[in-house]
Order: sequence, then structure tokens, then C-alpha cells
Amino acid sequence: AQSVTQPDIHITVSEGASLELRCNYSYGATPYLFWYVQSPGQGLQLLLKYFSGDTLVQGIKGFEAEFKRSQSSFNLRKPSVHWSDAAEYFCAVAGQGAQKLVFGQGTRLTINP
Amino acid sequence: SQTIHQWPATLVQPVGSPLSLECTVEGTSNPNLYWYRQAAGRGLQLLFYSVGIGQISSEVPQNLSASRPQDRQFILSSKKLLLSDSGFYLCAWIRGGLAGHHEQYFGPGTRLTVT
Repeated sequence: AQSVTQPDIHITVSEGASLELRCNYSYGATPYLFWYVQSPGQGLQLLLKYFSGDTLVQGIKGFEAEFKRSQSSFNLRKPSVHWSDAAEYFCAVAGQGAQKLVFGQGTRLTINP
Repeated sequence: SQTIHQWPATLVQPVGSPLSLECTVEGTSNPNLYWYRQAAGRGLQLLFYSVGIGQISSEVPQNLSASRPQDRQFILSSKKLLLSDSGFYLCAWIRGGLAGHHEQYFGPGTRLTVT
């Protein structure tokens, strides 16, 4: 079975600083990996996804993520955060043949002005 | 284009009362449908999913149930609410098939408070 761990429950960064949110997964084969963002009181929106090919994936809003098979990781990065990036971020994994996603517990991002 | 609706947006119900939350999807056919719950300060918990009319898979045993009476309609119900049922309920869909192949689209959610 697949599982996802987001080690950081809450991260605070200053506006303009770089950001990295960690995600580790457990799955025996090559997984499908996703990052979603949730603004307060809203549904989730897809930031980016990895299916195969280039391990560095570009997403919306200036985010990128890198798939590292050797580390079972799919960390999300942004070179310079904006106050509007404050939100909850979820990493998710789906195995080949799966009909559902498995989500991590989420990382809440706070931006200091 | 596809859209997903959830209602009501907010709901306050007393303990022991029944519950019915509705989710409908427009602009697609034969979607996979999902119900999630977020308790305060917690992550997403998958409650139920459905790959077709009348087909329901339950992920967590509890006093909730789900039904899919029509292709694009997914209903979450309870006969008697508990305080622990409070939370933010999200409906989601993907194009029919495998979850890894498709983006999952989420509805705006229903905030349920059980008093």
C-alpha cells in the first residue's frame, strides 16, 4: 500500500525567501505524485504532478518539485514566496492501477511580511 | 467545462440529527467520485469513493454512509450525527479510470458543525 509523509506540520518563512516543503512516499514501484494547495475554507487545487520522464516538474504559481527515486521524495520548492502563498499544502501519491489518491497530513505555510 | 457543486456550504446540526450532503458534477460522464473529511488541524481523510452508479467503497468504518443514485451525483449521509462528525467535507472527482492518471478536482466544501 502507498503512504505519504509530510514531516513538517507548520513552516514559517519571510516574504521573498525561498521555500522547500518536504514529502516522502512509500511505494514499491514508480508512483504518480501530486502537490495540491488549499487556501483557508476552500477546496484543493492542483499545483503540479509527476507521472514519468523529467524528474523536475514545473507547476503553476512558480512552484516546482523534484522526484528523487533514491530518496523516495518529491519536495516542493519556490525560489521566492509571496504573501498569497500562505496556505495548506498537500502531497499525494497514487500507485499504478490505484483508483484513489493517498494524501499526506499537510504542511501549513505562514508568510511573514 | 467541468464544474463540481456541493451544498450546503455550511451546516449546523444537533447531535443525533440526520445528515445529507450532496455533490454533483457537470460536464463529464462516468467520473470517479470521492468524499473526504478534514477535522480541525488534521489532514484529508478519505471516507468513500465510487467508480460507478451504486458502487461505493468505504475507507473508514463509522456512522456515515454514501450513495451514488445517478452518474454525477454523490451523497453523504448519516442517520444520527456525533460531535466527532464535525469538520470540513470535500467532494472530488476524476475522469473515470485510474487515480494516478488524472488530476483530482475538488468542490468548495461543506463546513459541518455538530452541536
